[in-house]
Amino acid sequence: RKEVEQDPGPFNVPEGATVAFNCTYSNSASQSFFWYRQDCRKEPKLLMSVYSSGNEDGRFTAQLNRASQYISLLIRDSKLSDSATYLCVVNPPPYGQNFVFGPGTRLSVLP
Amino acid sequence: EAQVTQNPRYLITVTGKKLTVTCSQNMNHEYMSWYRQDPGLGLRQIYYSMNVEVTDKGDVPEGYKVSRKEKRNFPLILESPSPNQTSLYFCASSSLRQGAYNEQFFGPGTRLTVL
Repeated sequence: RKEVEQDPGPFNVPEGATVAFNCTYSNSASQSFFWYRQDCRKEPKLLMSVYSSGNEDGRFTAQLNRASQYISLLIRDSKLSDSATYLCVVNPPPYGQNFVFGPGTRLSVLP
Repeated sequence: EAQVTQNPRYLITVTGKKLTVTCSQNMNHEYMSWYRQDPGLGLRQIYYSMNVEVTDKGDVPEGYKVSRKEKRNFPLILESPSPNQTSLYFCASSSLRQGAYNEQFFGPGTRLTVL
């Protein structure tokens, strides 16, 4: 089993739609969790960290379920500019050092 | 402007010809890391460094070397490149604040082709 798994997609959704991505991780001792966004052939950029209590940033909501070892990202009211690949990132031990990236989920928001 | 720079951005070379990809950050970050990205596999960590003169292997260190002589620089060295090292390489840096989720800042990437 891969350490971090994501549905590769692509997810093709119309503008204004709500879309959700899931990510599962295998190491139950993982401590920090993130969603990064990567545009085609560009560097990844932090979208949001994922806290135990869940967190929201505008149209984006991230949730963490430690018991089931999955992380989710919800995007509401999708914009054309949301088209990108979304990378789930997990930090198993050693904390702060070893970061494991999922393969990414590709999102295309269509007009 | 806070940034991570990598050079070169594109490189085509031949098997066995030693090469170095440079990485530099101007944010005074303690932590620096190298990743390679291949289709379907995502980013995989090659080496990382917690501070000057402190380096550790990531998940795929074979065939690579690194050094951290200065805080701002973290070069990636391929002593004898092989075609299976053809990939997109990213350097990243972050601070090491205690108890915080530390954002990694990535360089623009280096696309390497080994013939």
